[in-house]
Amino acid sequence: EDKVVQSPLSLVVHEGDTVTLNCSYEVTNFRSLLWYKQEKKAPTFLFMLTSSGIEKKSGRLSSILDKKELFSILNITATQTGDSAVYLCAREAGGSNYKLTFGKGTLLTVNP
Amino acid sequence: NAGVMQNPRHLVRRRGQEARLRCSPMKGHSHVYWYRQLPEEGLKFMVYLQKENIIDESGMPKERFSAEFPKEGPSILRIQQVVRGDSAAYFCASSPQSSRAQETQYFGPGTRLLVL
Repeated sequence: EDKVVQSPLSLVVHEGDTVTLNCSYEVTNFRSLLWYKQEKKAPTFLFMLTSSGIEKKSGRLSSILDKKELFSILNITATQTGDSAVYLCAREAGGSNYKLTFGKGTLLTVNP
Repeated sequence: NAGVMQNPRHLVRRRGQEARLRCSPMKGHSHVYWYRQLPEEGLKFMVYLQKENIIDESGMPKERFSAEFPKEGPSILRIQQVVRGDSAAYFCASSPQSSRAQETQYFGPGTRLLVL
């Protein structure tokens, strides 16, 4: 079975801290690696990574993929309370099937 | 530009009843995916559909669950004779014809099913 493993499972920080969330995956039938943010409702799309070593940025969030070592990281700098959420990593299947295999997520709590 | 729509948002059923969950994809999207999120668990793939076709149902339980995406109308996830273990959040996602660049799967708000 395809696996996506995220770490840590939960993290508590103070506003202003920088956090790094990890995601490792199995290589079978891989198309891309995606990050979503979930706040008690629909997961909202953050990043899609297909190429190794190219950092994607959106404000205080950035992410990078290492296809050789089969992992990705999501960085959040200068965290705010509004960043508190579950961050989900998902591996997109290749070929003609685009289904996503999700990790269990990292629960991030940012305290004031 | 409406996003993925799901209804109902909350559904309460008694054991043995049927549950019907509906999903309208984003405009222009022809691929629909259903995922289930059990309490304290990650999202699990259930089924992938295109118009009038089931592409991959490897994540669907073998019994009581079915899905369709007709030519007209929303996609339907149907659960017959619900049991307490079916209580979960069911999310629908849609994507356009091909998944390229930022055109990935966008999720609806989910239907939270509670089986009493």
